[in-house]
Amino acid sequence: SQQGEEDPQALSIQEGENATMNCSYKTSINNLQWYRQNSGRGLVHLILIRSNEREKHSGRLRVTLDTSKKSSSLLITASRAADTASYFCATPRGKLIFGQGTTLQVKP
Amino acid sequence: EPEVTQTPSHQVTQMGQEVILRCVPISNHLYFYWYRQILGQKVEFLVSFYNNEISEKSEIFDDQFSVERPDGSNFTLKIRSTKLEDSAMYFCASSEDSPNGYTFGSGTRLTVV
Repeated sequence: SQQGEEDPQALSIQEGENATMNCSYKTSINNLQWYRQNSGRGLVHLILIRSNEREKHSGRLRVTLDTSKKSSSLLITASRAADTASYFCATPRGKLIFGQGTTLQVKP
Repeated sequence: EPEVTQTPSHQVTQMGQEVILRCVPISNHLYFYWYRQILGQKVEFLVSFYNNEISEKSEIFDDQFSVERPDGSNFTLKIRSTKLEDSAMYFCASSEDSPNGYTFGSGTRLTVV
């Protein structure tokens, strides 16, 4: 079964604007994780939110989790050109199951 | 900050050849994983390894693939007879305590020609 499907698939914004990406999943989870991947590079762990948490902050990142809707959102505030990357949510079931990702372009 | 190290960063091989992708996980981590990402597609799970044995593998991980932890530090993925469709980025990951805190390596780009 598919887990961790993100939307939108692509997002283009101006530097300084906020970027919001959403993720939906299908089965129960004990946590949900967001990763960033710069083009052709490895995956960088951004933030983990546990199933008993509703919101978590890390620097300019804000993640919310709604277990009743099986959805999560990642908000990047005051975006920078360096935030240009693909963003994935992943749910662990022993292994991580990734969605297709949201490709974010931040224009200077 | 501790890192997962993968070598080589890029490997080109002829179809039918064997390749070995190498990974050095973080030293106190207990769980090891291989994932792959075909260009433009999502990251796919291949195999997980714990306590010196495979704990889970996907449908992709057929008899052509094998993993080994030959010593206390390395974790390898072998593809016995590469096919064109094996061309992808291969990521190694490790975690201290599944399902939390995965750390990924920067990947090996495998190109089969």
